[in-house]
Amino acid sequence: EDQVTQSPEALRLQEGESSSLNCSYTVSGLRGLFWYRQDPGKGPEFLFTLYSAGEEKEKERLKATLTKKESFLHITAPKPEDSATYLCAVQVGGRDDKIIFGKGTRLHILP
Amino acid sequence: DGGITQSPKYLFRKEGQNVTLSCEQNLNHDAMYWYRQDPGQGLRLIYYSQIVNDFQKGDIAEGYSVSREKKESFPLTVTSAQKNPTAFYLCASSIKREGRNEQFFGPGTRLTVL
Repeated sequence: EDQVTQSPEALRLQEGESSSLNCSYTVSGLRGLFWYRQDPGKGPEFLFTLYSAGEEKEKERLKATLTKKESFLHITAPKPEDSATYLCAVQVGGRDDKIIFGKGTRLHILP
Repeated sequence: DGGITQSPKYLFRKEGQNVTLSCEQNLNHDAMYWYRQDPGQGLRLIYYSQIVNDFQKGDIAEGYSVSREKKESFPLTVTSAQKNPTAFYLCASSIKREGRNEQFFGPGTRLTVL
């Protein structure tokens, strides 16, 4: 069964304390992996797409990496405004290009 | 500005009533999707449509209905047959190109059944 697992469920960091969020997947035929940021009561905001192992993408304090089994979202020197839920999703190969979402990691950056 | 709009932002419904959630996009995307989000769970797919006048059931379609008469619009009706409709509903759209399916989301509608 295709599955996407994010860890940890929640993470509290001090401002400036770098860390990483994990997204592990077991799917039949990865077509792409997506990272989103979601603020409370709002829709997910698209961050990155990764398509092949070894690929990396960066945006401000965020950097996403991809291997054959997992992806990491690295947060360098985070600020309180980086607090949000980060969602990982995987596109599985097939006729309908199904997308499977993880449950997310709630990140809280303390000032 | 290009984007996806959902209305209303908040919706209250009495048990036994049908309600329709609106989703409009001006991104010229072919595919549109409806998801449901509940606390502690990932997004679950309700319905999706890849072209006008065609749509398919997702993982949790029971108690919901959709239509796709225009490329820009994909309304979702939550019927009285949906046993637990209180949730946050998200609409998304994507343009499939070279096998890629990046989805972009609207702001969401929070439905509460009284």
